[in-house]
Amino acid sequence: DAGVIQSPRHEVTEMGQEVTLRCKPISGHDYLFWYRQTMMRGLELLIYFNNNVPIDDSGMPEDRFSAKMPNASFSTLKIQPSEPRDSAVYFCASSLRHQNTEAFFGQGTRLTVV
Amino acid sequence: AQTVTQSQPEMSVQEAETVTLSCTYDTSESNYYLFWYKQPPSRQMILVIRQEAYKQQNATENRFSVNFQKAAKSFSLKISDSQLGDTAMYFCAFMNTGNQFYFGTGTSLTVIP
Repeated sequence: DAGVIQSPRHEVTEMGQEVTLRCKPISGHDYLFWYRQTMMRGLELLIYFNNNVPIDDSGMPEDRFSAKMPNASFSTLKIQPSEPRDSAVYFCASSLRHQNTEAFFGQGTRLTVV
Repeated sequence: AQTVTQSQPEMSVQEAETVTLSCTYDTSESNYYLFWYKQPPSRQMILVIRQEAYKQQNATENRFSVNFQKAAKSFSLKISDSQLGDTAMYFCAFMNTGNQFYFGTGTSLTVIP
């Protein structure tokens, strides 16, 4: 398996624009997580899904953020409208509902909002 | 709520020496899992080592070992014979039985040649 795949690797956008980040989890994994990483706050869990259903979105900072998982092999994180303070690295991770399994991370998307 | 605390933002170690990174956590659960992840400059998150809370024996993976103190809720990572390639950010992580992960803020480790 190619691992968790995120796209794009880098995104530069202007303030006010819509940004969509994409993630393809590892095949067969039933949990998917979206994290945001910044120097100030470290790794923050934004939202996670189990079997395509959002379980906990309490980490989503504002209504400008939304995430979907239309099927087991694809998820999106959308920011609309984007703001400079959204600049961060966004990670997607997936895992299996087994005990002692770790989360497998994608390479991350570095988002810069100017 | 679960929290994970890494109190050492930055550390350095001489090549071939041993270094210990500290991590404490807070939880009311009795069964959970703990991990150390490494994030090199490439940004990829790499699992270093894992520990099941119900196991008393400390996990070991080659040069990496943990000191798991369940009563104290402490989970430190020891890196022996440090190598230049060990230079990275290290994140301690807690996973509850609901498969939800919580991460510490990370420790930046620099191995000095």
